[in-house]
Order: sequence, then C-alpha cells, then structure tokens
Amino acid sequence: DTEVTQTPKHLVMGMTNKKSLKCEQHMGHRAMYWYKQKAKKPPELMFVYSYEKLSINESVPSRFSPECPNSSLLNLHLHALQPEDSALYLCASSQDPSRGGVAAFFGQGTRLTVV
Amino acid sequence: EDQVTQSPEALRLQEGESSSLNCSYTVSGLRGLFWYRQDPGKGPEFLFTLYSAGEEKEKERLKATLTKKESFLHITAPKPEDSATYLCAVHRGGSEKLVFGKGTKLTVNP
Repeated sequence: DTEVTQTPKHLVMGMTNKKSLKCEQHMGHRAMYWYKQKAKKPPELMFVYSYEKLSINESVPSRFSPECPNSSLLNLHLHALQPEDSALYLCASSQDPSRGGVAAFFGQGTRLTVV
Repeated sequence: EDQVTQSPEALRLQEGESSSLNCSYTVSGLRGLFWYRQDPGKGPEFLFTLYSAGEEKEKERLKATLTKKESFLHITAPKPEDSATYLCAVHRGGSEKLVFGKGTKLTVNP
C-alpha cells in the first residue's frame, strides 16, 4: 500500500479565515513533506518533517504553519492567506530520510482557492 | 546548484508512435533519480527510481534509463491513456530535498 491520503480535496477560503489541510500515511514512512504546485509548474517544496521534527522550512511565510502530531499525520494550518496562495497543495512521504535516494509518494492534493 | 532540465516541454504523438523524453541533470553526489506521472489536478504518481548509470527499469509501455548526465523515459506504442505530464526529480546525498524538472506534457492522439 503506497497511499497518502489528503483532506479535503477542495477548499475555498476567505482571506480572514483559518483552515487546516490534513495528510495521513500508514506506510511507516519517517519523512513527510508539504509541496505547493501552481498550474503548469513543478511541485515546490515548502516543509520537510523528519522523524516528526521540522527539518526544512523553505522560507515559507508564517501564514502557513505546519504541524506533525505523530509519525502518520501531517497538518498545514492556514491563516490570513492571499489570493496568490491559491494552488494545489501536495503532501508526500518517504522512508528513512537519512538513507537518501528513496522515492517520495504523493497524495492527491488539496485544491485551495483563496477569495 | 542542482539543476534538472526536461525536454521537450510538450510532445504530441499518434497512438502507437514510440518516442523518448529527456531529463538532463547536474547534481553532486546523485542518490536517486525519479520519474513521476501527473494527471491534471492530481498528485504525482511514482513510476521509477534509478540509482546508477547503466540502470534500466520497465513498467508496461515505459522504460527508464540512466547515464551520468541524463535519463530517458522511452514510451513504446503509447496509448491515449498515457497522456499526462511526466516529471523527473533528483535526490542529492546529504539533502532531504527532491529537485524537480519542469516536466514534459505528453499528448497521445487516438
């Protein structure tokens, strides 16, 4: 089973709203990722959690706040977003990140629209 | 700096017309090169991992190969359902990041 589950699939939010994106995997993977993807562009890394600790933050604005409650779950809390933050948000996971060269498996994404 | 360049940006084929997609990379200490398929509005679907020059992997109509500077994704007798964007990504030793190319959008006409 190589499934990464993301909820919700679609989200429309106003610029003053607070919402959360959720991601779950049960493959025993110890690295989890958030990516942002705009139309016709490749995925752009936002955050990496390695063994439930934040190891990479790609200078993402503070209106995006990641959280890793346990090794299977990853959340992305959203607050005071801008219309330009509208995008497909992808969660991914991979095995032991210290090994390197291991594939990341992606969820189906959350299509976020900020109005 | 790690770089991944995919060509062509877009490719149109007739059903049954075989072709290849290219992924050129510059990375110090390659730990893995990955191919993904992405359908519109969906997350990337993992296809292959290649680790060292000379390695080849196959899955149905797809075959991926790797040299020291580039990887090819060969598509044999494609079908319309092979239409998608194909993404190449590399993983450098000592880094937790995947560096993606911009992708090749493949359209297979019936």
